[in-house]
Amino acid sequence: DTEVTQTPKHLVMGMTNKKSLKCEQHMGHRAMYWYKQKAKKPPELMFVYSYEKLSINESVPSRFSPECPNSSLLNLHLHALQPEDSALYLCASSPLPGGAYEQYFGPGTRLTVT
Amino acid sequence: GESVGLHLPTLSVQEGDNSIINCAYSNSASDYFIWYKQESGKGPQFIIDIRSNMDKRQGQRVTVLLNKTVKHLSLQIAATQPGDSAVYFCAENTRQAGTALIFGKGTTLSVSS
Repeated sequence: DTEVTQTPKHLVMGMTNKKSLKCEQHMGHRAMYWYKQKAKKPPELMFVYSYEKLSINESVPSRFSPECPNSSLLNLHLHALQPEDSALYLCASSPLPGGAYEQYFGPGTRLTVT
Repeated sequence: GESVGLHLPTLSVQEGDNSIINCAYSNSASDYFIWYKQESGKGPQFIIDIRSNMDKRQGQRVTVLLNKTVKHLSLQIAATQPGDSAVYFCAENTRQAGTALIFGKGTTLSVSS
């Protein structure tokens, strides 16, 4: 299995809702990532988990809360989002943390905040 | 700030032509580079990578060239096909722990038949 899966594919939520994005990989990768991508822009790093521990938080607002329950799963909990948070949210994984490894990306969750 | 960028936001070619997509980087400590292809509505897909101890690496119909002297990276696509139409991103990183990929701005490649 060489893919990263993400659910849901699309999500529409109001500013007072609480929702979660899910990401899963079964490649035995020990680093997992959340990125945010706006239209026609490159992915922007949000969080990095290394060996199930949060290692990088790129000053992301607290309305985004990541969680790594085990080495295969990564969640992103959303609460009180703003319309400008509408974007494609990408999950990725790599065999090990650090910069010398390819990152495998999932298809993303298209989030719309109304 | 962003240390990797692409020279051209768009590139239009005819089917069968060779395409060259360029990328400049500013961090001389970067030692690992990746090219990704992103089709509409999909996540980035790995194309090819290169480490700083190499100048050139070839894949199937693709070649990546690395010029460390001028901090320049390019992706060459041979015999470009309509299915190659996508946004192409270069990304860089260092081998240090606690780092992550930095993406360039992206080039949209359009291939016409």
